[in-house]
Amino acid sequence: EIVLTQSPGTLSLSPGERATLSCMASQSVSRMYLAWFQQKRGQAPRLLIYGASSRATGIPDRFSGSGSGTDFTLTISRLEPEDFAVYYCQQYDKSPLTFGGGTKVEIK
Amino acid sequence: EVQLVESGGGSVQPGGSLRLSCAASGFTFSDHWMHWVRLVPGKGPVWVSRINIDGSTTDYADSVKGRFTISRDNAKNTLFLQMNSLRAEDTAVYYCARGGMRYCSGTSCYWGDYWGQGTLVTVSS
Repeated sequence: EIVLTQSPGTLSLSPGERATLSCMASQSVSRMYLAWFQQKRGQAPRLLIYGASSRATGIPDRFSGSGSGTDFTLTISRLEPEDFAVYYCQQYDKSPLTFGGGTKVEIK
Repeated sequence: EVQLVESGGGSVQPGGSLRLSCAASGFTFSDHWMHWVRLVPGKGPVWVSRINIDGSTTDYADSVKGRFTISRDNAKNTLFLQMNSLRAEDTAVYYCARGGMRYCSGTSCYWGDYWGQGTLVTVSS
């Protein structure tokens, strides 16, 4: 199975700052099948990015995704108060589908 | 409005069974793959299973293979997850999520744009 390793585990930032989250895959993942989800406590995950760089419907343009092969990045250009949450990368290139361990973005 | 509503969760002893349902509305259910994902509070999501548009293709995480069965009834717009031989480690909130659309290709075959509210499964003696 493809293992996704996210770093850092926790990112402590202030509103208005830029957040850069990393996701490294144990083997190459087609960029067509790499997604990012946001999760808040007690809620279902929310799809932010699919196809490595396409924003899902209704997702603000401060969220952007990039990368290919084994290295992918989610960038939040200017953190808003509602962006403090846990973020997961996820591959749906090969079965079983897998999620990374998550990066918690917390208020500094 | 797209809605996914899970039901069927509850408490069960190890070795027991449960059948989860996910009622879909607001979209053409028979045009989409569907998925089950589980979340343990404080831990990350774990993908469980998926099914194609007519139920002829299914896929499972290794941890549930042989114990769980995914199915669907397109006439009733409902997705199911039959869970047998339940273990303590199956304890989680189970979510159904919408998958890729019929005839999608490449980047357009994304999933997870809509999720249900989840149903709690507790396996304990």
